[in-house]
Amino acid sequence: QQPVQSPQAVILREGEDAVINCSSSKALYSVHWYRQKHGEAPVFLMILLKGGEQKGHEKISASFNEKKQQSSLYLTASQLSYSGTYFCGTESNAGNNRKLIWGLGTSLAVNP
Amino acid sequence: DAGITQSPRYKITETGRQVTLMCHQTWSHSYMFWYRQDLGHGLRLIYYSAAADITDKGEVPDGYVVSRSKTENFPLTLESATRSQTSVYFCASTRSPGLDSPPLEQYFGPGTRLTVT
Repeated sequence: QQPVQSPQAVILREGEDAVINCSSSKALYSVHWYRQKHGEAPVFLMILLKGGEQKGHEKISASFNEKKQQSSLYLTASQLSYSGTYFCGTESNAGNNRKLIWGLGTSLAVNP
Repeated sequence: DAGITQSPRYKITETGRQVTLMCHQTWSHSYMFWYRQDLGHGLRLIYYSAAADITDKGEVPDGYVVSRSKTENFPLTLESATRSQTSVYFCASTRSPGLDSPPLEQYFGPGTRLTVT
């Protein structure tokens, strides 16, 4: 089942905060976050494992709520370089075939 | 050069022709993936491979064929191209985390923009 990302798009002014959510109807083992700039390949941000672990990467952090099967990506004090499309990819188990199911993405535009 | 590369970067072909997209990685990663990316659909998995000579279907495999005789190469062939296969194709790779082990990040190639006329 494809995870659902919300919102679909967000526009910020530089310095503002944003939250992007990724929800699944299936129990999840891990949630992966990537950012893709226009015309480029997706680039890895972080991986969250079940257990509610929160991770951070400079001013970008994420959490994983196992009960809700939802992960949230937090972008604080946004910079122009944060603009792009953010994708979550989900993994339901740690079995033999490791592959991700991706959300449709959240487009983020940060304006001066 | 080290990393993951795709060729060609751009391709225009006609309906009905066979096209092969190449993917090469220098890290000896076990896992390799082929995705297509279309507006409104995000990233959709076409095929993936857990190791040389092991391939499996993803979400949208129809019309595509893959092979993996060597760990570093994972070509994707469109047997008879159709207009609906116009898309941007990304190849990705990752190390095998092992059974019950935490996952690892995927590294994406630069993509191939394919237009079928």
